[in-house]
Amino acid sequence: GAVVSQHPSRVICKSGTSVKIECRSLDFQATTMFWYRQFPKQSLMLMATSNEGSKATYEQGVEKDKFLINHASLTLSTLTVTSAHPEDSSFYICSARLAGVYGEQYFGPGTRLTVT
Amino acid sequence: SQQGEEDPQALSIQEGENATMNCSYKTSINNLQWYRQNSGRGLVHLILIRSNEREKHSGRLRVTLDTSKKSSSLLITASRAADTASYFCATGSSETSGSRLTFGEGTQLTVNP
Repeated sequence: GAVVSQHPSRVICKSGTSVKIECRSLDFQATTMFWYRQFPKQSLMLMATSNEGSKATYEQGVEKDKFLINHASLTLSTLTVTSAHPEDSSFYICSARLAGVYGEQYFGPGTRLTVT
Repeated sequence: SQQGEEDPQALSIQEGENATMNCSYKTSINNLQWYRQNSGRGLVHLILIRSNEREKHSGRLRVTLDTSKKSSSLLITASRAADTASYFCATGSSETSGSRLTFGEGTQLTVNP
């Protein structure tokens, strides 16, 4: 149980275009999902917290107009990187949190974004 | 800066040996979780220890938590080559009921066959 999927797993896009990444909880409902980015050989940095039916909460320094997050249902959150630039190239990982006070987070397999 | 700091940053051992990784944090936590990440892959949840727990076991894994020292350790016993991966601790803040995780820098474990 507690499987989280991401799509696509890899994407290459040209500078200036937008890319949408999907995160789905397959066998549980997640009122809260999280988006992280990870640079090579570095740790995960939380970008934003995505709450179903409400606006996402962005971490300091993350541009909300550039990284659009939509959490339209209890099993799906999307991250859209708008007007992508080469510096946006990174590994983007989502997670979904089980309900409860000590809810564990389960992570998707990640999406490798390369902007050329 | 990252909430969690892990040491060592890299650890290389022989198969069969035990591996110990440490994590320190700075603020009040609701829980602490350990994850494994193979190169270029997503994170695999290993174990969650609550702030009111001191030790937890899962298979070959043993996690301790010392809230007075704001530190945790992950012990992997009888290591295998397949345990080679990066290991991250992540703390769930009390302020957000543990939902918002802050990750440590990670320990790269290499288990040599």
